[in-house]
Amino acid sequence: DIQMTQSPSSLSASVGDRVTITCRASQSISSYLNWYQQKPGKAPNLLIYAAFSLQSGVPSRFSGSGSGTDFTLTISSLQPEDFATYYCQQSYSTPRAFGQGTKLEIK
Amino acid sequence: EVQLVESGGGLVQPGGSLRLSCAASGFTVSGKYMTWVRQAPGKGLEWVSVIYSGGSTYYADSVKGRFTISRDNSKNTLYLQMNSLRAEDTAMYYCAREGYYDSTGYYDYWGQGTLVTVSS
Repeated sequence: DIQMTQSPSSLSASVGDRVTITCRASQSISSYLNWYQQKPGKAPNLLIYAAFSLQSGVPSRFSGSGSGTDFTLTISSLQPEDFATYYCQQSYSTPRAFGQGTKLEIK
Repeated sequence: EVQLVESGGGLVQPGGSLRLSCAASGFTVSGKYMTWVRQAPGKGLEWVSVIYSGGSTYYADSVKGRFTISRDNSKNTLYLQMNSLRAEDTAMYYCAREGYYDSTGYYDYWGQGTLVTVSS
């Protein structure tokens, strides 16, 4: 089974900051990598699919990059509504493993 | 409009059983890969099980042999039968639809979740 590892596990930042979250797969997954945002008490929400494709309705300040084993999610200018937990997930094979999550908090 | 509505969660004793339901609207369950994902209190997301459009099913090792995923096409509903429940199965359970683009799968719609608590 493929394992997904995110870093950091938590991150403090300020409104307007540029933030990058990293996700690493235990083996190559090509570009089969998705990113989700989850706010407390809510279901996850798809942000990025296929490593860099922005889901409809997601602000353009979110972007994804990477292929193979190393991926990044970047938020170019943090907004108050972006403080949440972010998860990567591979869709290369079953089981569709998630990363452990990165909690983005207000500094 | 696509909607997923879970039900069936609740408090159950260790060793007991529950059946979760996920009623879908706006699309046909049998035409999509449908997945259950769970989240223990304060923890991350854990993939649990999938049923493919062709009917094949797969499970996480942690639930294999205890949980069964199925669907009722006439009711357009996904199920998760959970037997021999353990304390570590306590979680919010979400159903999710897997969308596809250029062979890449992703969970584009999620239900609101149903809470399962396993405790004596």
